[in-house]
Amino acid sequence: RKEVEQDPGPFNVPEGATVAFNCTYSNSASQSFFWYRQDCRKEPKLLMSVYSSGNEDGRFTAQLNRASQYISLLIRDSKLSDSATYLCVASEGYKLSFGAGTTVTVRA
Amino acid sequence: GAVVSQHPSRVICKSGTSVKIECRSLDFQATTMFWYRQFPKQSLMLMATSNEGSKATYEQGVEKDKFLINHASLTLSTLTVTSAHPEDSSFYICSARPVAGQETQYFGPGTRLLVL
Repeated sequence: RKEVEQDPGPFNVPEGATVAFNCTYSNSASQSFFWYRQDCRKEPKLLMSVYSSGNEDGRFTAQLNRASQYISLLIRDSKLSDSATYLCVASEGYKLSFGAGTTVTVRA
Repeated sequence: GAVVSQHPSRVICKSGTSVKIECRSLDFQATTMFWYRQFPKQSLMLMATSNEGSKATYEQGVEKDKFLINHASLTLSTLTVTSAHPEDSSFYICSARPVAGQETQYFGPGTRLLVL
């Protein structure tokens, strides 16, 4: 079983729409959680950390449910530039476990 | 922000040759560097963790004699894929963690390896 599971998508949404997706993690010892963004053939870049209380960064909102081992990401008012693959990450200490990513395509 | 470079960005080689990939932290010192591999449409998989001046720690299933890692200084780690085969073709990405012990890892731009 993969440590981090994500719906691969793709999620095709029009500009301005809201899109949400989630992931689950299997390692209950995971301590920190992140969403990374990866553009085609590029390295992943940190989008935001995820906290139990939920947190927001501009148009992006992340939620963590430790009891269900579930992490979500919501993107409001989608822009064309939001088109990318979003990687869910759980970490135990220094070790990062990546999901395979959810692909989002925002169309004009 | 912290910058990590990788060289080369892309390499094509014949089966049986060895390929060396360099990972450098340009504006910070990194006690720990990590090597990942990503196959198409799959997640990044940690291959090994390297600490400056000591032997690398390899993840289960990763052959240490095939993927040689050297972390000679606080700003440089190298990964050598020895006797590369077509199944080693992948996207290899390094990351570095600052000496200060921050949780954050900074990723290099990756090296795309194609073995013919």
